[in-house]
Amino acid sequence: EIVLTQSPATLSLSPGERATLSCRASQSVSSYLAWYQQKPGQAPRLLIYDASNRATGIPARFSGSGSGTDFTLIISRLEPEDFALYYCQQHNNWPPITFGQGTRLEIK
Amino acid sequence: EVQLLESGGNLVQPGGSLRLSCAASGFTFSTYGISWVRQAPGKGLEWVSVISGSGGSRYYADSVKGRFTISRDNSKNTVYLQMNSLRAEDTAVYYCARPIFGVVNALDYWGQGTLVTVSS
Repeated sequence: EIVLTQSPATLSLSPGERATLSCRASQSVSSYLAWYQQKPGQAPRLLIYDASNRATGIPARFSGSGSGTDFTLIISRLEPEDFALYYCQQHNNWPPITFGQGTRLEIK
Repeated sequence: EVQLLESGGNLVQPGGSLRLSCAASGFTFSTYGISWVRQAPGKGLEWVSVISGSGGSRYYADSVKGRFTISRDNSKNTVYLQMNSLRAEDTAVYYCARPIFGVVNALDYWGQGTLVTVSS
C-alpha cells in the first residue's frame, strides 16, 4: 500500500499570502496524484488531477506540480474561502486508492 | 448536470447490517466506475471500495474485505454498498464518488454523504 504523507499538518497564513502544501509518497505514483479541498460539512472538491491539471472551474491561483514521490500544491494568493482542509490522493498503484492525512490551512 | 445522491445511512448496532445506495444522474452511468469513500468523525478520507462500469470488477479496502459488498444496477443508475458485521470503527460519513473517467482516477463528482453510526 502506498502511504501519502502530507506536510505541514497545519499551515497558518493570512489572506493574500502564498501557501505551499506538500505530499510525499512512499513509492512512485508517477503523475497519478490528485488534490482535494474540503470545507466543514461538505464533500471534498477536486482541485488538481494528474499532479498538475486544474479541474473544471478551479481558479488559476491553484497550481500543482511534481512527479514520482514528491508533489506540491501552491495557492498563489490566499482568498478567505481557501481556508480549509486539503488532501492528496494517489491512484497509480491500487487497490487501495490512498489519501494523505490532510493539511489544515487556517487563518493566521 | 452530474449528481450523486447517497441514502441509507442510519444508526445500527455492532454486528448489524446496512445497505447504502448511490443514485446517479447526468452522465452515462454504465461507462464509469464508482467508488465509496468514508470519513470517520474528525478524521481523514478513507477509500472503501470501487466497482467498474459493467459491475464485473470490484475491489475493497482490507478493512472491509469480507464484510462489505459493492454492486450496481445500471438500469437504475444506482450503486449499492451492503455492509455486514458492522463495527464501531465503521462509523463514518460515506460518500460515493465518480472518477474523471474509467474505473479509478481522480474523483471529480461526489455525493453529499450519508452518515452511518455503529453503536449500541
